[in-house]
Amino acid sequence: KAGVTQTPRYLIKTRGQQVTLSCSPISGHRSVSWYQQTPGQGLQFLFEYFSETQRNKGNFPGRFSGRQFSNSRSEMNVSTLELGDSALYLCASSLAVGGGTDTQYFGPGTRLTVL
Amino acid sequence: AQKVTQAQTEISVVEKEDVTLDCVYETRDTTYYLFWYKQPPSGELVFLIRRNSFDEQNEISGRYSWNFQKSTSSFNFTITASQVVDSAVYFCALRGPSGSARQLTFGSGTQLTVLP
Repeated sequence: KAGVTQTPRYLIKTRGQQVTLSCSPISGHRSVSWYQQTPGQGLQFLFEYFSETQRNKGNFPGRFSGRQFSNSRSEMNVSTLELGDSALYLCASSLAVGGGTDTQYFGPGTRLTVL
Repeated sequence: AQKVTQAQTEISVVEKEDVTLDCVYETRDTTYYLFWYKQPPSGELVFLIRRNSFDEQNEISGRYSWNFQKSTSSFNFTITASQVVDSAVYFCALRGPSGSARQLTFGSGTQLTVLP
């Protein structure tokens, strides 16, 4: 079974631009979560989607948004990019069988550099 | 609020040595889930283990073993006879049962370097 895939793997943008990252979950997985990883802040939760609905959101500004499609694929968008948005963005998928019992499996990440 | 502390920022060992990575957590939930992930230089987080709060049985998987102690809120990870391929950053994470607690809260990670 294929793992979580993320595209693109690398991105270079300039301040003020916007960017869209894509995530395809493991087949059969219905929940997709996004995390930001930076050297200073570590791994931080962005949001979680299930059945095309945002189920949970971390403490990030409104410039960060996401969505999920009917096939469970997800995209996240960052508008008006800032230098501090440079990070590794990780997507994780899970079966979402209920509660916290399911395990999140991560993709390889998209490394975003903002110049 | 949930919190995970990995006090060891970096550990360096020589191949074949045993090494233990420490993890201490804080949560108000009575039901919760603990995880360990490995992050090699490629960047992908690789799932290693999940432990439920109501199951304190320790687990061994090959050279890996985990010691879960609710009394001390710790979930330590030991690698026996370490190998160079074990070099990576290891993250401990905590997850609650529902709602906003469902998100994974990660520790800051421990960089393990195994020298040949």
